[in-house]
Amino acid sequence: GAVVSQHPSWVICKSGTSVKIECRSLDFQATTMFWYRQFPKQSLMLMATSNEGSKATYEQGVEKDKFLINHASLTLSTLTVTSAHPEDSSFYICSAKLQGPIYEQYFGPGTRLTVT
Amino acid sequence: GENVEQHPSTLSVQEGDSAVIKCTYSDSASNYFPWYKQELGKRPQLIIDIRSNVGEKKDQRIAVTLNKTAKHFSLHITETQPEDSAVYFCAASINAGNMLTFGGGTRLMVKP
Repeated sequence: GAVVSQHPSWVICKSGTSVKIECRSLDFQATTMFWYRQFPKQSLMLMATSNEGSKATYEQGVEKDKFLINHASLTLSTLTVTSAHPEDSSFYICSAKLQGPIYEQYFGPGTRLTVT
Repeated sequence: GENVEQHPSTLSVQEGDSAVIKCTYSDSASNYFPWYKQELGKRPQLIIDIRSNVGEKKDQRIAVTLNKTAKHFSLHITETQPEDSAVYFCAASINAGNMLTFGGGTRLMVKP
């Protein structure tokens, strides 16, 4: 149980275009999902916290107009990278938590974004 | 906000030896400390976690210790095997399900 999927697993796009990444909790409902970015050989950095039915909370330094997050249902959150640039190339990972006072977060497999 | 520092950044051990990775955190309100193993290009996998009401937790070859007063926690891997080679991350959070702040990671290499 507690499986999180992401789609696509990898994507290559041209500079200036937008890319949407989906994060789904397959066998549980997730009121909260998190989006992380991981550059090569670096740690995971939280970008935003996504709560179902409300606006995402962005971390300092993350442009909310560039990284659009939508959490429209209890099983799906999407991250749209708008007007992508080569410096946005990274590994994007989502995680989700079960409802209630549960500590563990379940991570998706990640999406490798390459902007050319 | 919370800041988590992790040492060492790289660790090379001989198969069968023990490995110890240490983390310190800054926010005394943090009460949940998970450890993740990440292989190249894969998702982080939770290997063990500890809450602030416990000082030590063990699961087979893996153990975690927590010193709340000093605000540091450590991962201990005994009888290391080549398949333990990966990047290990510590993390901290305040209360259930809140955001995780990750340490910088430790690349563990176990030489056969």
